[in-house]
Amino acid sequence: DAGVIQSPRHEVTEMGQEVTLRCKPISGHDYLFWYRQTMMRGLELLIYFNNNVPIDDSGMPEDRFSAKMPNASFSTLKIQPSEPRDSAVYFCASSFDREVQPQHFGDGTRLSIL
Amino acid sequence: EDQVTQSPEALRLQEGESSSLNCSYTVSGLRGLFWYRQDPGKGPEFLFTLYSAGEEKEKERLKATLTKKESFLHITAPKPEDSATYLCAVQRARSGTYKYIFGTGTRLKVLA
Repeated sequence: DAGVIQSPRHEVTEMGQEVTLRCKPISGHDYLFWYRQTMMRGLELLIYFNNNVPIDDSGMPEDRFSAKMPNASFSTLKIQPSEPRDSAVYFCASSFDREVQPQHFGDGTRLSIL
Repeated sequence: EDQVTQSPEALRLQEGESSSLNCSYTVSGLRGLFWYRQDPGKGPEFLFTLYSAGEEKEKERLKATLTKKESFLHITAPKPEDSATYLCAVQRARSGTYKYIFGTGTRLKVLA
C-alpha cells in the first residue's frame, strides 16, 4: 500500500514568494496532520483535520500560513508571503479515527527560503 | 505543562554494545506513548505503541518499556543499520484530541 505522499520533496524560493506544499494521505485514514521540523524546536504540530474539517490550528505560526483539505485524498499547506525563518522540513501524517492510533508520516518537503 | 524529554541527545555505540534510550514525560493523563525511528531525509517511521505502565513491546533488537513517568527503548547488540534518530511522542487522554507531543529525539550512531 502506498504511504503518505508529499510533494515537492525540495523547494527553494525567494522571500516573499508564495509556497504551496501538497499531501496525499493513506487511503481510508480520517485524520491528517501537518508538522514542521527544525533542529531547534523539533517536530511541531501546525494543524490537523478530521474528515476534511480543520480541528485545531493553534500551532499555525501566523496568518501567513493556511491549510486546506478539499477532499479525503488531498491537502495543501500554503505560506504567503514566505520568509527565511519559514525554512524547515514540513511533514504530513495521517491516521485512522480510532483511539491511540499511530500517525504515519510522509517523507517531508525540505523548504528553503532565501 | 505537558512535556516530553528525551535523553541522551546523542549516543555513539560500538556494534554489539547494548544500551537504552530514555523518554520522560509529564502529561495530564496518558492515552498512549509512541516510538518512532527517523532516518536522514525521511519521515518518522512508526515502531511501537505502549498503552499502560508495565507494558513491553519487542521488535528485532529493540524493546520498549513503559512506567508511569518514563519509557525506555532498549537496543540489544546494535548493528550499524540501527543508526538513526529515535523519537518518542505521547498522546494525552483528553476527549476529542488526537494531538501528539513529541520529544526532540536521540541521535544514535552505531560504529562497525
